[in-house]
Amino acid sequence: AQSVAQPEDQVNVAEGNPLTVKCTYSVSGNPYLFWYVQYPNRGLQFLLKYITGDNLVKGSYGFEAEFNKSQTSFHLKKPSALVSDSALYFCVGRRNTGFQKLVFGTGTRLLVSP
Amino acid sequence: NAGVTQTPKFQVLKTGQSMTLQCAQDMNHEYMSWYRQDPGMGLRLIHYSVGAGITDQGEVPNGYNVSRSTTEDFPLRLLSAAPSQTSVYFCASSPGQRANQPQHFGDGTRLSIL
Repeated sequence: AQSVAQPEDQVNVAEGNPLTVKCTYSVSGNPYLFWYVQYPNRGLQFLLKYITGDNLVKGSYGFEAEFNKSQTSFHLKKPSALVSDSALYFCVGRRNTGFQKLVFGTGTRLLVSP
Repeated sequence: NAGVTQTPKFQVLKTGQSMTLQCAQDMNHEYMSWYRQDPGMGLRLIHYSVGAGITDQGEVPNGYNVSRSTTEDFPLRLLSAAPSQTSVYFCASSPGQRANQPQHFGDGTRLSIL
């Protein structure tokens, strides 16, 4: 079965410090991987995706993610956190063949303190 | 840019009542889906549609019906509400079945069943 794991329920970081939100996947073949962010009382917003090619993917709001096939990871990173980055982050996977349903992680709450 | 619009935003029902959650998108997307979000469980797929007239079940379809008579609309019907259906419901759309397309989410319907 396909699965995506986010091992941390919450990540706390001080404003200005780098942040990492972890994700590991178990998706057969060459997966497509996505990060979404959810602000309170809002739907999920697309941040970035890995399809193929360069393992470092850049996305919206200064976020980036590194695809590591050997470690089956796709960690989300930002060099300098902002208080406004505080939100719920979801890692999502999908097989790259035909029509495949999305596999969601359980989400990681990021709290950036001033 | 309306994107994906969900109505209502909030609803309280009594056990046994029925209701329809509305979802409309103005992007001419082929693929639409319904998810429920429960604490600590990520998003779970209820039903999805790959085009007008075509629907299929997701992970947790019991107690829900869908139809897709037009490209724009994808309503979700609760047949006989149960407390276990208390959740936040999200509708999403994407341009097609290609696995590398990100989803566009509505802002959700918060449903409480008493």
